[in-house]
Amino acid sequence: DQQVKQNSPSLSVQEGRISILNCDYTNSMFDYFLWYKKYPAEGPTFLISISSIKDKNEDGRFTVFLNKSAKHLSLHIVPSQPGDSAVYFCAATGGGNKLTFGTGTQLKVEL
Amino acid sequence: NAGVTQTPKFQVLKTGQSMTLQCAQDMNHEYMSWYRQDPGMGLRLIHYSVGAGITDQGEVPNGYNVSRSTTEDFPLRLLLAAPSQTSVYFCASSYSPDRGLSPLHFGNGTRLTVT
Repeated sequence: DQQVKQNSPSLSVQEGRISILNCDYTNSMFDYFLWYKKYPAEGPTFLISISSIKDKNEDGRFTVFLNKSAKHLSLHIVPSQPGDSAVYFCAATGGGNKLTFGTGTQLKVEL
Repeated sequence: NAGVTQTPKFQVLKTGQSMTLQCAQDMNHEYMSWYRQDPGMGLRLIHYSVGAGITDQGEVPNGYNVSRSTTEDFPLRLLLAAPSQTSVYFCASSYSPDRGLSPLHFGNGTRLTVT
């Protein structure tokens, strides 16, 4: 049972435009959400997070939005750059050390 | 700053062989963990440790053993390798076991193939 779902395996965006990566979750106990970015042959690196008490968190070009009623979060990248091409993992936790990951979305930013 | 170091980067085993995947971190993190990444499955937690001498099972622990004799090292042992263990393995650490307090720092992974 996939509790964190990233239904788009891939996304292609033109340089300079907005990239929107989506994530849905089913477990209402999740109260903290994170996005990780992964380049080929490297480990995932932490990108941005959001607590369930907020509906938006911004860090430079990256903004995460949380819609608790819909159990949905999204990562916006504006403007998209070629260096943003990577796999993006959504992850969620309900406290403690357990982190549940989604299956990832491959973002390709084209020139 | 080395961060989290995993060795080897690649390994091919035959069914029934054993091996140890090494993981070391130099950030004085108390929490360390092992994940495996499989196509269409995301990353799944195998084992974790909240400090030296303390280990516990994650989501998919069967077929793997761990120990934590020092803060820096957290090796993962495969005793009888099986083709189902073909995967990419990531070691990760953080200063706190609370995922809401500190994000994980990952190593670059070990790609294991069991034939």
